[in-house]
Amino acid sequence: GQSLEQPSEVTAVEGAIVQINCTYQTSGFYGLSWYQQHDGGAPTFLSYNALDGLEETGRFSSFLSRSDSYGYLLLQELQMKDSASYFCAVRPRDQGGKLIFGQGTELSVKP
Amino acid sequence: GAVVSQHPSRVICKSGTSVKIECRSLDFQATTMFWYRQFPKKSLMLMATSNEGSKATYEQGVEKDKFLINHASLTLSTLTVTSAHPEDSSFYICSAASGHYGYTFGSGTRLTVV
Repeated sequence: GQSLEQPSEVTAVEGAIVQINCTYQTSGFYGLSWYQQHDGGAPTFLSYNALDGLEETGRFSSFLSRSDSYGYLLLQELQMKDSASYFCAVRPRDQGGKLIFGQGTELSVKP
Repeated sequence: GAVVSQHPSRVICKSGTSVKIECRSLDFQATTMFWYRQFPKKSLMLMATSNEGSKATYEQGVEKDKFLINHASLTLSTLTVTSAHPEDSSFYICSAASGHYGYTFGSGTRLTVV
């Protein structure tokens, strides 16, 4: 089976940098994805790591270390609109392409 | 970019009735559609995977007779909650998978059963 653990809540101030960690136990997967979800809305794709290392997309970066079963999402220059829930997700191998989501981290950005 | 249209966005129904939720992929073909359920402040829990023209594959613990999924075409999948009860109240989200666009999510349906 798969399980992905994230901190339930993180609070930071505008302009700061925040890191949201994701540790996982899974037998095999294609890559680690990150999604953002505002309250009552659809998840939107942020970043994807197929290989170990850092991927940078504007203010968002994501990192994966398969040997450590660990990844993180880094958000820089935080803005109020970044207040949302963030989910890591994996696509397990040989399971029909489904995405399994982590527990989610609620980020609150304060002025 | 790819868009998945999900309707209705909100629905209130009486206990014992059935509710149908539709997801349509616009401008692309979704060979596979995933249905998720989400409780407040919780994660997206996969309910089932549907492939066009075949029976859906349900996750463990999900009642297939209660949550009927139909994927009759490459652009339309439906989830019908049959004989709804208050505990079925939740946020339901579909996600369409395509080789070109990856995963595209619908905007969700908030179901309230009274």
